[in-house]
Order: sequence, then C-alpha cells, then structure tokens
Amino acid sequence: EAGVAQSPRYKIIEKRQSVAFWCNPISGHATLYWYQQILGQGPKLLIQFQNNGVVDDSQLPKDRFSAERLKGVDSTLKIQPAKLEDSAVYLCASSQRRGGSHTGELFFGEGSRLTVL
Amino acid sequence: GESVGLHLPTLSVQEGDNSIINCAYSNSASDYFIWYKQESGKGPQFIIDIRSNMDKRQGQRVTVLLNKTVKHLSLQIAATQPGDSAVYFCAENTGGFKTIFGAGTRLFVKA
Repeated sequence: EAGVAQSPRYKIIEKRQSVAFWCNPISGHATLYWYQQILGQGPKLLIQFQNNGVVDDSQLPKDRFSAERLKGVDSTLKIQPAKLEDSAVYLCASSQRRGGSHTGELFFGEGSRLTVL
Repeated sequence: GESVGLHLPTLSVQEGDNSIINCAYSNSASDYFIWYKQESGKGPQFIIDIRSNMDKRQGQRVTVLLNKTVKHLSLQIAATQPGDSAVYFCAENTGGFKTIFGAGTRLFVKA
C-alpha cells in the first residue's frame, strides 16, 4: 500500500515570497490533516479535512495560509506571503474515519521542509 | 485548555535496558491516546494506542499505561535497541476528532 506522498521535500524562499505544498493521502482515507512542526517541537495541527470539507482550521493563520482539498483527495497548502517564523516542516497525514469518537491512527508523509530567509 | 506535555525532553538508556517515557495531558475529555515515533527526516509513525476505558495495552516490546486519575500516560519499551533511538510523542484525541501532540522526548540508546 502506498503511503502519504508529499512534495517538495525541501524548499528555500525569501520572506514575503509564496510557496505551495502538495499532499496525496492514502487511497480511501477520508480525513486529511496538515501539521506544522517547528524544530524541537511537536506537530501542531493547522487544518483538518473530512473529504473535501474543513473540519477544523482554528490554528491556521488565515491571513497568509490557505489550504484546499479538491475532490476529496489531494490537498495543497499555500503560504503567501511567507514570514521567517514559517520555517518548519509541514507534515501531511491521513486517516480512515472510523465509527466512535476518535480518528484512529494517523499516517504521515515525510514532510516538506521550508526555510524562509 | 488543551495541552499535552512530556516530563523529560531527553532520555538516555543502555542497550538492552527498559525505557519509560512519560506524558501528562490536561484535557479530561480526551478519550483516545496514541504514541508516535519520529526518526530524523521522517514523519511520525504510529506505535501503539489506548482508549480511555483501558488502563494498559501491550504490543510487541511496548506497553502503554494510562492513569486517568492523574491524567498521565507512559510508554514502556522493553529491551531497548539502537533502532529505538528517535523522538517519541504522545498525542491525545479530543472531542471533534482533533489530535493534539505533545512536545516530544528524544530517546538515546547507548550501545
């Protein structure tokens, strides 16, 4: 079974430029997540999709970050304009929605490392 | 508020010894907990999970203990191996299917 695919793996940009990250979740997984992981910290949830609808985006800095999941499969996360503090690894994860009150196991991609100069 | 934290940022153990990684959580409404392992340059990988109606769950060389009274979670790794060296995160599932991660503990295994 193919895992979660992310691209690019690495990106270096200057502040105020824009960047986009792409994610392809595991086939059949309805729930997709974008996490931001700053060096030395745990992943922080930015946005969560259920199919192509947003479940939670309370931690997404909406003045500069946007995300979409067209057709309930692939997703893109965009940052415009980037700030120095956006330097981090952006992790995409997916999960199968199960019955009950929790998401179950999250499957992560290898992440996209962003450096903002 | 929602927060998941770890008592120790780093843990160093001798190969073959048992490791215990601790975690405190603050949301008493959380009903599902997961431990993840993250190796350098990779995304977190699921190790073991436990529901709030259990206090212990065992896997292969790993055991998770849950104490809801004091809101504490621990991961025990038996016979720690060099391949276990990584950062370990506990995560809690809060209402609304939201998974919150703690800060992580880095485990060093000395040969």
